[in-house]
Amino acid sequence: AQSVTQLGSHVSVSEGALVLLRCNYSSSVPPYLFWYVQYPNQGLQLLLKYTSAATLVKGINGFEAEFKKSETSFHLTKPSAHMSDAAEYFCAVSEGGSYIPTFGRGTSLIVHP
Amino acid sequence: DGGITQSPKYLFRKEGQNVTLSCEQNLNHDAMYWYRQDPGQGLRLIYYSQIVNDFQKGDIAEGYSVSREKKESFPLTVTSAQKNPTAFYLCASSITGISYEQYFGPGTRLTVT
Repeated sequence: AQSVTQLGSHVSVSEGALVLLRCNYSSSVPPYLFWYVQYPNQGLQLLLKYTSAATLVKGINGFEAEFKKSETSFHLTKPSAHMSDAAEYFCAVSEGGSYIPTFGRGTSLIVHP
Repeated sequence: DGGITQSPKYLFRKEGQNVTLSCEQNLNHDAMYWYRQDPGQGLRLIYYSQIVNDFQKGDIAEGYSVSREKKESFPLTVTSAQKNPTAFYLCASSITGISYEQYFGPGTRLTVT
């Protein structure tokens, strides 16, 4: 069975600081992994995805994530936070062949000036 | 522009009334989904459909119903049997057989009083 754990329901950073949002997954088969971003009162938008190619995945808005099989992790990072990055971020996993993803509970990113 | 539309953005109903939320996509995606989002609980799957005239219950289907008569449309009815219907509802679609990344609509916020 697949599952996702996002550590920290809220993460607070200063503008210009490193952003690190943590995601650990559980999957019995090679997974597909996703990060989505949600701005207030909007739908989710795909930031990036891992589908068994390169382990370091680059996404939109300067975000990237690294798939680490040994740690069952897929943490999201950005070198320098911007005020516009303030949003809710969701990690999701789909076991290979499944079109039903499991979402984490989300992490709210707060960016201070 | 291709995408998913949900209407209306805000919906208000009296307790005991059924209400139907619209979801339309022009992405030619086979799979469609309905999620419910409550603060701090992430996304919970209500129903999903892989092909026309076929759909399956998700994790929280009680009190909801759907239909899939056309590939482009997947309306959700919130019935009076749903005990706590006030929530943010998200519709999504995906291509099956590839990476299963999901495309989301802008959401409908339903308030029942």
